[in-house]
Amino acid sequence: KAGVTQTPRYLIKTRGQQVTLSCSPISGHRSVSWYQQTPGQGLQFLFEYFSETQRNKGNFPGRFSGRQFSNSRSEMNVSTLELGDSALYLCASSLATGYSPLHFGNGTRLTVT
Amino acid sequence: QQPVQSPQAVILREGEDAVINCSSSKALYSVHWYRQKHGEAPVFLMILLKGGEQMRHEKISASFNEKKQQSSLYLTASQLSYSGTYFCGTAGSSGGSNYKLTFGKGTLLTVNP
Repeated sequence: KAGVTQTPRYLIKTRGQQVTLSCSPISGHRSVSWYQQTPGQGLQFLFEYFSETQRNKGNFPGRFSGRQFSNSRSEMNVSTLELGDSALYLCASSLATGYSPLHFGNGTRLTVT
Repeated sequence: QQPVQSPQAVILREGEDAVINCSSSKALYSVHWYRQKHGEAPVFLMILLKGGEQMRHEKISASFNEKKQQSSLYLTASQLSYSGTYFCGTAGSSGGSNYKLTFGKGTLLTVNP
């Protein structure tokens, strides 16, 4: 089975720009979660989608948004980029049944200059 | 609320044991443990559910103390391959937040020959 695929792997953007990250979950997984990882802060929860609906949201400003499509693929968008948005963005998918484990993608490394 | 992991870092010699703790101020329903090697995605190790049994993954085991809202990860006879950052992720008991895993900041484990 193919794992979670995130594209692109690396992105360099300028302050004020916007960016869209993509995540393709494992086949059959309907839940997709997004996390921001920065040194010293661990994994910060952004949001979770299940069957195209956002079920949970973390404490991030409205500049961070996402969506999920009918094939469970998900996108995350960050508008008006700030230097502090530089991070590794991880997507994880799960079966969302009985507290099933998260399967992470390799992430998108975003650098804002 | 982010769970607290301790210690922040630990250095071992091959064959030594280590314990990593994860504490939460909120009531917990489940605790996940993941390991992330440098430059790679976090990989699932095990889930502990409220009322469930102690889990085991190779020579790594974990326990969940519901009264103390605490979980501990036990690494026995450590191997070089155990090196990495260990994260605990916690989920509360409320139904809507089951898939909002909140992760600790991680424990960096280094195993030397």
